[in-house]
Amino acid sequence: NAGVMQNPRHLVRRRGQEARLRCSPMKGHSHVYWYRQLPEEGLKFMVYLQKENIIDESGMPKERFSAEFPKEGPSILRIQQVVRGDSAAYFCASQGKERNQPQHFGDGTRLSIL
Amino acid sequence: AQSVTQPDIHITVSEGASLELRCNYSYGATPYLFWYVQSPGQGLQLLLKYFSGDTLVQGIKGFEAEFKRSQSSFNLRKPSVHWSDAAEYFCAVGLMNRDDKIIFGKGTRLHILP
Repeated sequence: NAGVMQNPRHLVRRRGQEARLRCSPMKGHSHVYWYRQLPEEGLKFMVYLQKENIIDESGMPKERFSAEFPKEGPSILRIQQVVRGDSAAYFCASQGKERNQPQHFGDGTRLSIL
Repeated sequence: AQSVTQPDIHITVSEGASLELRCNYSYGATPYLFWYVQSPGQGLQLLLKYFSGDTLVQGIKGFEAEFKRSQSSFNLRKPSVHWSDAAEYFCAVGLMNRDDKIIFGKGTRLHILP
């Protein structure tokens, strides 16, 4: 999965803390998607962003979760006041501007809540 | 609503045997279809994609998939599996409308017997 960089690879937080997950898309890609994967589940779409715009956040929980993709720097998925149920693998994917292109995935961030 | 069904949660085959992983989708228009593979602790790697044209698609690592519109299926095949093919396989439908959202199946975990 060269190109899409996610960090950290593993993140441990205690209940009530904040988690920040970063994603740097492939060079030249301006579309970023975040997915969540729970054990024994497929990936669930969370949010789709372009530079400085949230295009579709229909998969985001209504509270505590937010995402941004600033003009400069990586995309950030932020989870406030984490709870045990937030434990999951979070994947970022990027896509170029051209239509009909597949999404390229990073290696994910494994979030564990103590 | 759009959906992807992978009816087999686990599949076990012997090394050298042929493989077919099933995928059915529900979508009102001609979909864009993908197969991704995920090794433990890794992100998703694109095996192959179907956008249009020839319904038999060749991918990496010796995999192929056939789009059958009449059956709403996109099954993944390999004539002879190798131990390194043990992984989880995800079928996905790309909605390719305003937001290019991808809907994933829940995955099929492939086990290889020596």
